[in-house]
Amino acid sequence: GENVEQHPSTLSVQEGDSAVIKCTYSDSASNYFPWYKQELGKGPQLIIDIRSNVGEKKDQRIAVTLNKTAKHFSLHITETQPEDSAVYFCANEAGGTSYGKLTFGQGTILTVHP
Amino acid sequence: EAGVTQSPTHLIKTRGQQATLRCSPISGHTSVYWYQQALGLGLQFLLWYDEGEERNRGNFPPRFSGRQFPNYSSELNVNALELEDSALYLCASSLADSPLHFGNGTRLTVT
Repeated sequence: GENVEQHPSTLSVQEGDSAVIKCTYSDSASNYFPWYKQELGKGPQLIIDIRSNVGEKKDQRIAVTLNKTAKHFSLHITETQPEDSAVYFCANEAGGTSYGKLTFGQGTILTVHP
Repeated sequence: EAGVTQSPTHLIKTRGQQATLRCSPISGHTSVYWYQQALGLGLQFLLWYDEGEERNRGNFPPRFSGRQFPNYSSELNVNALELEDSALYLCASSLADSPLHFGNGTRLTVT
């Protein structure tokens, strides 16, 4: 089955610094790559997503890049703020028999120190 | 608009019992997804329902089952509960190819 590896598992940065989280996947048929943020006691919230026909997408301080050849995609958060502290998950959807099924990475605990 | 709502927020059961978890999707969404989030294991796909039909299923035993009602709400049933079923169960909804929107989950504890 599909496998998504996410690194690092924990990330600690100072307020104002940038944070980068990377994910690799195994299924070359993957065509959809969302990123979710999960705060304590809440469900995951979509923060940005990208489809396989696009290499990069940006939304204010958040950007995602996709390299289909290398089968990896990354989340970039610039000018981090304490409220960015949360667990971040990458995911992908492979299509075919995996249509409708997201495979998630193991999560990254991001801590932004004031 | 109201988000995905799940009930109950917490559920405590004894090994061998059955648990029923409920989910109401965002208004207008026809697809409902169930995920299990066990401690330290990330989110694992359980089930996908669309227009009342089961469309896809993850690698879970048959004692995990569910259904979707005509109003698109959904139920997840877990029979013969085992200790390792203790987890946060998340429901998400979507419309066609739109992104998944998650609820805040039901915390199931099996003792």
